[in-house]
Amino acid sequence: GENVEQHPSTLSVQEGDSAVIKCTYSDSASNYFPWYKQELGKRPQLIIDIRSNVGEKKDQRIAVTLNKTAKHFSLHITETQPEDSAVYFCAGHNAGNMLTFGGGTRLMVKP
Amino acid sequence: SAVISQKPSRDICQRGTSLTIQCQVDSQVTMMFWYRQQPGQSLTLIATANQGSEATYESGFVIDKFPISRPNLTFSTLTVSNMSPEDSSIYLCSVVVRGRTDTQYFGPGTRLTVL
Repeated sequence: GENVEQHPSTLSVQEGDSAVIKCTYSDSASNYFPWYKQELGKRPQLIIDIRSNVGEKKDQRIAVTLNKTAKHFSLHITETQPEDSAVYFCAGHNAGNMLTFGGGTRLMVKP
Repeated sequence: SAVISQKPSRDICQRGTSLTIQCQVDSQVTMMFWYRQQPGQSLTLIATANQGSEATYESGFVIDKFPISRPNLTFSTLTVSNMSPEDSSIYLCSVVVRGRTDTQYFGPGTRLTVL
């Protein structure tokens, strides 16, 4: 089955700096890669996703890149703000509609 | 997306008892899933809730411990049976909305504490 690894497990940045979270996956058949943001005590919220037929997708300060050959994808957050502080999860999705989640990254944005 | 609700939002239970968690969606969805999120951990898929048939369980999860029902397209229940403190977790349902083949949206979760 799919195995998704996520790094780093914790990330601390200064407000205004960029943050990058990286994930690797094992199943070459995986074709959809969502990213979720989970604030303390809240549900995971989808923030951006990318499909295997594109290499990059942007939504305001958030971007995701995908390298199918290397089987890794990354989340980029620019101009970080304190409200970006949360746990971020990447996931890989295979043909069986199953999501396998990475271990999560706790992002702390210091004002 | 869809409006997803779960009941109860939290509960404290005694070991050896069972708790049934409900997940209700305001629109028809194609797929429903149940996840467990242990404190400070990632999300682990328990099972896919299949409408009108037995759920499909992931490795490490069995029907006797986590019976699941899905009588229609908008409602599912997960029961945590014969609970022990190790079952203390957040339990979340997620759905795939009709018309979207893969995007999953999560319910608010049920925080379970077993004493």
